[in-house]
Amino acid sequence: AQRVTQPEKLLSVFKGAPVELKCNYSYSGSPELFWYVQYSRQRLQLLLRHISRESIKGFTADLNKGETSFHLKKPFAQEEDSAMYYCAPMNSGYSTLTFGKGTMLLVSP
Amino acid sequence: GAVVSQHPSRVICKSGTSVKIECRSLDFQATTMFWYRQFPKQSLMLMATSNEGSKATYEQGVEKDKFLINHASLTLSTLTVTSAHPEDSSFYICSARDHGAGPGYTFGSGTRLTVV
Repeated sequence: AQRVTQPEKLLSVFKGAPVELKCNYSYSGSPELFWYVQYSRQRLQLLLRHISRESIKGFTADLNKGETSFHLKKPFAQEEDSAMYYCAPMNSGYSTLTFGKGTMLLVSP
Repeated sequence: GAVVSQHPSRVICKSGTSVKIECRSLDFQATTMFWYRQFPKQSLMLMATSNEGSKATYEQGVEKDKFLINHASLTLSTLTVTSAHPEDSSFYICSARDHGAGPGYTFGSGTRLTVV
C-alpha cells in the first residue's frame, strides 16, 4: 500500500537553528516527491520537487531511495518559515498526490 | 502563475440540505481536478479525481451519491454535498495542475463547510 510518514507533528526551533523535517514513503514504482507548505491563513502551495533538485527559500530535500526518505532541510531557520509542511509523493501513473499528516514548524525568535 | 479559485470560502447549511462548492481554474484549462477533505489538525485526504467530460474517480470509502462531482467544462468542477449531516462538516479543498506552468499542483483556498 502507498504510504507516507511524517513522524513529527510539531517541530519547534529557535531562529537560526538548523531544521530537518522528516518524510519516509512506501510506494510502488518510482514516485515523484514534493514538499508543500501552508502558511497561516493561506492556501497550500508547492515548496519544492525532488526532480528539480532546487533550493527554495533556503530549503532543500534529497531523495534517498535506499532509505525511502525525502527529508526537508534548512541550515538556518527563520521566523517566517513557521508553517505546516506536507510531504507528498505522487504516483506518476495516476498523477494523484498522497499527503503525509504534516509537520508544524514553529520558529521562535 | 496558475490560480485556482474556490467558492464559497465558508458555508453554513442545515442538516438534510445540499451544498455546492465550485472550483475554477483561472487562465488555464484543467482536464483533471482533485477534491480533498481536511479535518482539523489532520492531513488532506483525496476524495476524488474530477475528469472533464466523464465520470469522477472516487477514492475508496468516499460515497459517490453523497459527494456529487461534475466537471462540465475545462475550467470548472463542482462538488455537491448532498443531504448534508453534521459529520460532513469539514474543510474541502480543490486543486488542479497547469501543465504549461511547470511542476506541482495549484490549490484553491478551500471551503469551510459547517452543517448544523
